[in-house]
Amino acid sequence: EAGVAQSPRYKIIEKRQSVAFWCNPISGHATLYWYQQILGQGPKLLIQFQNNGVVDDSQLPKDRFSAERLKGVDSTLKIQPAKLEDSAVYLCASSLVPTPTGEAFFGQGTRLTVV
Amino acid sequence: AQSVAQPEDQVNVAEGNPLTVKCTYSVSGNPYLFWYVQYPNRGLQFLLKYITGDNLVKGSYGFEAEFNKSQTSFHLKKPSALVSDSALYFCAVRGPQRGNTGKLIFGQGTTLQVKP
Repeated sequence: EAGVAQSPRYKIIEKRQSVAFWCNPISGHATLYWYQQILGQGPKLLIQFQNNGVVDDSQLPKDRFSAERLKGVDSTLKIQPAKLEDSAVYLCASSLVPTPTGEAFFGQGTRLTVV
Repeated sequence: AQSVAQPEDQVNVAEGNPLTVKCTYSVSGNPYLFWYVQYPNRGLQFLLKYITGDNLVKGSYGFEAEFNKSQTSFHLKKPSALVSDSALYFCAVRGPQRGNTGKLIFGQGTTLQVKP
């Protein structure tokens, strides 16, 4: 079974530039998550999709971050404009069933450095 | 509010010795608890979970975790550590429910260092 695919693996941009990350979840997984992991901290949820609808985006900085999941499969996370504090690893995860007992499967992440 | 605490930034253990990585949680209602491991430059890998039933949960790579409701703890254990177990470990709890789903809330992580 193929895992969660993310690209790119690494990205370096200057502050105020824009950047986009792509995620392809495990086939058939209805729930998709984007997490931000700052160095030395645990992952923090940015946004959660159920199919192509948003379930939770309470911690997404909506003035600069946006995400979409067209057709309920692939997802894109965008930052515009980027700030220095956005430097982090962005993890995408998916889970099969929308229950509280299901584990999430994570991709390798995209490491973003804002200079 | 739901929360998870991992009180140790790093745990050091000699190869062959038992290891414990500590986790305490705060959640309203029944807790759904998870352990993940992260190797350098890799995503998080699921190790095990507690949903209900037996307080001792067995997972991947010989790891197990003990759920203790009275102490609100979910410590990760392994009887005999391997050098290859060296990694970053995260405890997580399922957060508030919205539409039968809930976000995973992670602790800050514990680095496990197993020395030969």
